[in-house]
Amino acid sequence: DGGITQSPKYLFRKEGQNVTLSCEQNLNHDAMYWYRQDPGQGLRLIYYSQIVNDFQKGDIAEGYSVSREKKESFPLTVTSAQKNPTAFYLCASTRTGITLAKNIQYFGAGTRLSVL
Amino acid sequence: QKEVEQDPGPLSVPEGAIVSLNCTYSNSAFQYFMWYRQYSRKGPELLMYTYSSGNKEDGRFTAQVDKSSKYISLFIRDSQPSDSATYLCAMIGVQGAQKLVFGQGTRLTINP
Repeated sequence: DGGITQSPKYLFRKEGQNVTLSCEQNLNHDAMYWYRQDPGQGLRLIYYSQIVNDFQKGDIAEGYSVSREKKESFPLTVTSAQKNPTAFYLCASTRTGITLAKNIQYFGAGTRLSVL
Repeated sequence: QKEVEQDPGPLSVPEGAIVSLNCTYSNSAFQYFMWYRQYSRKGPELLMYTYSSGNKEDGRFTAQVDKSSKYISLFIRDSQPSDSATYLCAMIGVQGAQKLVFGQGTRLTINP
């Protein structure tokens, strides 16, 4: 089955530690996204990538870093500079191109990050 | 002011009721409008997708867009307990990168 796999499902971070969240898709989508979801705040865009080896900051990129070395993979690192990392993190992907389908984002099941 | 406003609820209705969920927005460049459903501790899944103004129906769900008022709605008929979830509106313009703008989400509970 095609889809987006996020791992781990739950993650705990110690003070001063960097942690990496995994996102893999087998939908052959070009564009991938990372969102943060906090209670009552909807989804906020952290980073996005429309093509391999290229990515752009979203609205709340500070304290996060990403890489896009392969089309299928878009890992997110939450660095120690992110002082309030506790949240639900969602990865998404879309096609690119000119059809209306390019706007549809497909989401993974999410990773819940907590601070110890 | 946020680009997209959505009442976070919570909204609680009895089974079988008609549910109305709404979003307002301020950016007139938005052309594509979506509703996502998100069950607890899961990722959002696309429910409805409409372009410009008008209505779209899919089973018990109807999406309505009024661009002149910058207002979109999702109606759920004959609501079921399995409809209990958070509903997120999302929208995107024509130009630029494919960045969806989401509402806060409305948490809906259908009581048996």
